[in-house]
Amino acid sequence: EAGVTQSPTHLIKTRGQQATLRCSPISGHTSVYWYQQALGLGLQFLLWYDEGEERNRGNFPPRFSGRQFPNYSSELNVNALELEDSALYLCASSPGAGSTDTQYFGPGTRLTVL
Amino acid sequence: GQQVMQIPQYQHVQEGEDFTTYCNSSTTLSNIQWYKQRPGGHPVFLIQLVKSGEVKKQKRLTFQFGEAKKNSSLHITATQTTDVGTYFCAGGTGNQFYFGTGTSLTVIP
Repeated sequence: EAGVTQSPTHLIKTRGQQATLRCSPISGHTSVYWYQQALGLGLQFLLWYDEGEERNRGNFPPRFSGRQFPNYSSELNVNALELEDSALYLCASSPGAGSTDTQYFGPGTRLTVL
Repeated sequence: GQQVMQIPQYQHVQEGEDFTTYCNSSTTLSNIQWYKQRPGGHPVFLIQLVKSGEVKKQKRLTFQFGEAKKNSSLHITATQTTDVGTYFCAGGTGNQFYFGTGTSLTVIP
């Protein structure tokens, strides 16, 4: 069974540009979570989607947005990129929307903003 | 707001020594999960604890969930170089997951 996949692996952008990151959950999983992990820091919760709807978002500005498609894959968009947006962006999926569900992480997308 | 803190932030141990990381929540949790992230890798699920006072073991790893379900610990006996990485706890409450700040473990051979 394939795990969570993310694309691209690396992304280099300049300040002010927009970045789009993609995530495909494990087959059968309906929940997708997005996290930002800046160098040397912990996981900062960004967004949670389940069944196509945004269930919760972390303490990030509105220029961080996303969506979940009918096939449960998800997209994270970051507008008006700033230097401090440089980080590893991790996507995780879980079977459902319960807090007891294990999250399975993808390999991440390394975003560098120059 | 909800916070999940971990201590210590960093820990260096000699190979063979024991290691413990502690996770504390500001509110009662419904469950707690532990993840390990190897350098350059992504978090990988280790275990989940649900019951008050629960203790689970995985070989040299012992996980505990506090009686009040507000704290947890991970203890590694006789560390090995393969234990290197960052250990995160994640507390579940309602429909939310809150990841701890992580403890980075370095094992000196």
